[in-house]
Amino acid sequence: KQEVTQIPAALSVPEGENLVLNCSFTDSAIYNLQWFRQDPGKGLTSLLLIQSSQREQTSGRLNASLDKSSGRSTLYIAASQPGDSATYLCAVNTNAGKSTFGDGTTLTVKP
Amino acid sequence: DTAVSQTPKYLVTQMGNDKSIKCEQNLGHDTMYWYKQDSKKFLKIMFSYNNKELIINETVPNRFSPKSPDKAHLNLHINSLELGDSAVYFCASSLHRRGRLIAEAFFGQGTRLTVV
Repeated sequence: KQEVTQIPAALSVPEGENLVLNCSFTDSAIYNLQWFRQDPGKGLTSLLLIQSSQREQTSGRLNASLDKSSGRSTLYIAASQPGDSATYLCAVNTNAGKSTFGDGTTLTVKP
Repeated sequence: DTAVSQTPKYLVTQMGNDKSIKCEQNLGHDTMYWYKQDSKKFLKIMFSYNNKELIINETVPNRFSPKSPDKAHLNLHINSLELGDSAVYFCASSLHRRGRLIAEAFFGQGTRLTVV
C-alpha cells in the first residue's frame, strides 16, 4: 500500500528566502508525481507534474525533482513571496490515475 | 470556462438525510474521480470512473453511491448522512489512452459538506 509523507508539516519563512518542501513515498512503482497548491477554502491547483522517467520539472520560480529509486521528491521555491502562502500537496499516481496524497506542508511567507 | 465544476459549493444538512453532489468536466477527459478531504486536510480517493465504468472503489461505506450518466459527469449520492461524513469532497478528471494516464488530474473547487 502506497504511503506518502510530507515534511515539514508547516513552514514559516521571511519573504525572499529560497525553500524546499519534501515528499517521500513508500512504493517506487509510480507512474508520475504531481505537486499541488491549495489555498484556504479553495480547490487544488496543479503546479508541476513529473513523469516517472523524468528527474525534474521547472515552472517559473518552482522546481520539482524526483528520485524514484529512493522514493523522494522535492519542491524548490525560489525567492518566496507572501502570495506563495498556501498548503502544498504532493500526490503519487498509478497508471490507472489513482492518486495517493501526502498530508501537505502549510507554508507561510511573511512580508 | 471552468474545467471541472462541482455543485453545490457548500452543503449543510441534517443527519439521516440523503444528498447529492454533482460534478461536470468540459475537458474531454475520460476518467473522473471523487476524493474526500477530512478535517486534517488529508485527501483520500473514494471512487474512479473511466468512460462510465467503475475502476477504483476504495473502502467507502455503501451509503456512498457514485453515478456516471456519461463520461463528462460523475455525481456522488450519499444516503443516511452521518456526522462523520462532514468533509470537503473534491471531484477530479484526467485523460487516459489505451489504459495509460496521459494527462494530469484537474480538480474541482470542492464541496464543503457539513452534517449537523
